[in-house]
Amino acid sequence: QLQLQESGPGLVKPSETLSLICTVSGGSISKSSYFWGWLRQPPGKGLEWIGNIYYSGSTYYNSSLKSRLTISVDTSKNQFSLKLNSVTAADTAVYYCARIIIEAAGGNWFDPWGQGTLVTVSS
Amino acid sequence: DIQMTQSPSSLSASLGDRVTITCRAGQNISNFLNWYQQIPGKAPELLIYAASSLQSGVPSRFRGSGSGTDFTLTISSLQPEDFATYYCQQSYIMRFTFGPGTKVDIK
Repeated sequence: QLQLQESGPGLVKPSETLSLICTVSGGSISKSSYFWGWLRQPPGKGLEWIGNIYYSGSTYYNSSLKSRLTISVDTSKNQFSLKLNSVTAADTAVYYCARIIIEAAGGNWFDPWGQGTLVTVSS
Repeated sequence: DIQMTQSPSSLSASLGDRVTITCRAGQNISNFLNWYQQIPGKAPELLIYAASSLQSGVPSRFRGSGSGTDFTLTISSLQPEDFATYYCQQSYIMRFTFGPGTKVDIK
């Protein structure tokens, strides 16, 4: 059974870089049928897609975050990572990683999700 | 980006009630619409993909329908474990967007 686990600092200072890793277990990150994605949810608010990566390194980013965002993949470790620089309090959220299933006929969907990790931006 | 709206934003219902949640896309998205359930403190879970396909393991009381711009999630008989927030998500373009959510709580 595929599982994803987010890891990284829970507290980041304003203007610094938020860095998270998602470790995939129970399956290979290098399968061609999937993207791997990051999402976030500010406290008490809805879900926001951050970006995706394919095992080859191809990426898609949310245009509102693109200038501050880097998503990368390490197939040897079965991990992918998120770096968001110049953070502010508005970046405080629970960050989730998820597998994205690619289906030509019906689109793409997120399944499963990691449990999420709260990142607070504060001095 | 494709804007997604949901109605209602919240609703109160009793056990056994039939519940209907509507999701509307800002443009035609064919059947590229998914539904998720989020229980407080937990990660979202996939319920319905491609507008009407039930994810493995999800009870058959959940049903998705619609195409184009208008979609519906129906719970035929509300159970205690169904009190949660429900989100729709479009994947017509690879800049995914979610609806704002519909919170279902106990009347």
